[in-house]
Amino acid sequence: AQSVTQLGSHVSVSEGALVLLRCNYSSSVPPYLFWYVQYPNQGLQLLLKYTSAATLVKGINGFEAEFKKSETSFHLTKPSAHMSDAAEYFCAVTSKAAGNKLTFGGGTRVLVKP
Amino acid sequence: GAGVSQSPRYKVTKRGQDVALRCDPISGHVSLYWYRQALGQGPEFLTYFNYEAQQDKSGLPNDRFSAERPEGSISTLTIQRTEQRDSAMYRCASSSTGTGGAIGETQYFGPGTRLLVL
Repeated sequence: AQSVTQLGSHVSVSEGALVLLRCNYSSSVPPYLFWYVQYPNQGLQLLLKYTSAATLVKGINGFEAEFKKSETSFHLTKPSAHMSDAAEYFCAVTSKAAGNKLTFGGGTRVLVKP
Repeated sequence: GAGVSQSPRYKVTKRGQDVALRCDPISGHVSLYWYRQALGQGPEFLTYFNYEAQQDKSGLPNDRFSAERPEGSISTLTIQRTEQRDSAMYRCASSSTGTGGAIGETQYFGPGTRLLVL
């Protein structure tokens, strides 16, 4: 079985400050990990994914995430928050055993303060 | 090109009525997934198809829920005898190859159908 825990359902950051969203996963087989972003009234959009290549993954809009097997983590960061980063972010895991069906965390809503 | 589309975007129905939710995947995409997202939670897997074959329906909550994809393109998720607990956002996603292909392939999501059962 696989699962994802996102620590913090709401995060508030100041514009220009570091964004750090935490994701820990549980998987009995090698995982594939994703971060999706959801803007209001839109579908989920892929930010980045880890599929067993480089452990540091760069995505769109200046986001990146690092896969740490020893910590079972895949935290998402962005050095400098922009007002347009206000959205809800979801971490998800899948594996070959799971047949590509995604298991999502509960999501973290990001508020960016001017 | 067009992304994944879903209709209707909003559906209000009375308890006991049947509803049909439609998903139109990206043209040529082999795999199609249905997820349900309750308010304040992440999406939860319901079922998925490769072409017209339903590969996994382990996430369907009970036998009131069914899905089909008869021609390997458009899919319909049907909920019979709706109950208030069925109220949620229903999301559809598609990816270009089946599970025989690349694992970890990106799933492209539609905007969802928000269902409210009164």
